[in-house]
Amino acid sequence: SAVISQKPSRDICQRGTSLTIQCQVDSQVTMMFWYRQQPGQSLTLIATANQGSEATYESGFVIDKFPISRPNLTFSTLTVSNMSPEDSSIYLCSVGTGLGQPQHFGDGTRLSIL
Amino acid sequence: GNSVTQMEGPVTLSEEAFLTINCTYTATGYPSLFWYVQYPGEGLQLLLKATKADDKGSNKGFEATYRKETTSFHLEKGSVQVSDSAVYFCALSDSSGGGADGLTFGKGTHLIIQP
Repeated sequence: SAVISQKPSRDICQRGTSLTIQCQVDSQVTMMFWYRQQPGQSLTLIATANQGSEATYESGFVIDKFPISRPNLTFSTLTVSNMSPEDSSIYLCSVGTGLGQPQHFGDGTRLSIL
Repeated sequence: GNSVTQMEGPVTLSEEAFLTINCTYTATGYPSLFWYVQYPGEGLQLLLKATKADDKGSNKGFEATYRKETTSFHLEKGSVQVSDSAVYFCALSDSSGGGADGLTFGKGTHLIIQP
């Protein structure tokens, strides 16, 4: 399966700042996704990162807060903007292997907001 | 909309005990079903999958059968080991809308196996 690298692996940020998380895949993939895992909670889909067009956001997530780029088939970024303590979570990218097929996940970025 | 309900833990068992983690789902279409596992300090890994009714997914001694009539996908293992201690997530993918769908996850079950 594809090797997925996320950077940074963790960070501690001040409220009001923004952080960009990178996701690099070692092969071209059609489907890439971003998830959030709040402390002690399950994973929630933030958006589907579409190559060459705007990301598709799930209910409760907006582009101004979580802008996403997907410049090519191996790379995507998620920015968490104007952070508050409520944004403290693990953010994960994943790649899809086909409709109805499993997704494979990066190791995640553990983000803490002070 | 889609949803996944699984038993919440922590679930504590002794080594060699039989394990069942219940998972039921609701979906607008005909989903694929997955179990993912998150070992302490590690990322999320696919454990097993089933893509159609009556399929049985299996891996590392774990099994789950896709039961469309009961909308369930319960995870079982006949004899657990300490190394099975982890958080287990049931998830579904419903691409009946024709687009690339993300996964819908259950809340996760923390499994603790005692020697």
